[in-house]
Amino acid sequence: KAGVTQTPRYLIKTRGQQVTLSCSPISGHRSVSWYQQTPGQGLQFLFEYFSETQRNKGNFPGRFSGRQFSNSRSEMNVSTLELGDSALYLCASSSGRTGYGYTFGSGTRLTVV
Amino acid sequence: AQSVTQLDSHVSVSEGTPVLLRCNYSSSYSPSLFWYVQHPNKGLQLLLKYTSAATLVKGINGFEAEFKKSETSFHLTKPSAHMSDAAEYFCVVSELMNRDDKIIFGKGTRLHILP
Repeated sequence: KAGVTQTPRYLIKTRGQQVTLSCSPISGHRSVSWYQQTPGQGLQFLFEYFSETQRNKGNFPGRFSGRQFSNSRSEMNVSTLELGDSALYLCASSSGRTGYGYTFGSGTRLTVV
Repeated sequence: AQSVTQLDSHVSVSEGTPVLLRCNYSSSYSPSLFWYVQHPNKGLQLLLKYTSAATLVKGINGFEAEFKKSETSFHLTKPSAHMSDAAEYFCVVSELMNRDDKIIFGKGTRLHILP
């Protein structure tokens, strides 16, 4: 059973650019959540998609957006990149049922210069 | 309201000695509780979970955790630390609210293993 796949693994962008990250969940999982991890702030929840609908959203500016496709694959977009957006972005998939836990991908390391 | 407190940001133990990583939670309802481990530059891996069955939960790599409702704790233990256990550990609480699954991560505990 394939795990959660995040692409790319590493990315370097310059300030002002935009970036799109991709996440393919475990087959059959309909929920995909995105997290930003930084040394200073730890793990912060960005948003969750379930069956192509955003179900929950964290406290991030509108520059951070996402979407989910009919095959449950999800993309996250960050526009007008800032230096502070440098982080490890983690995607987690789940069946969407409480108590079953989340399976995380290895993350995309974004560096903004 | 949910909250998770990992009481130690760093823990150091010698190889072969017991590990104790502490986690206290607050939840309005019957929560599900999880421990995840993250090795450097890797994603999070589920170690174990509690979902209202047995209060002593066994996970992978020899880890276990005990759910103590009276103490609102879910501490992670391992009898004998191994060098490969050096990583960051996250305690997570999850509960169903308004048909949505809300999860909260603790701030993490970095485990250092001394040779």
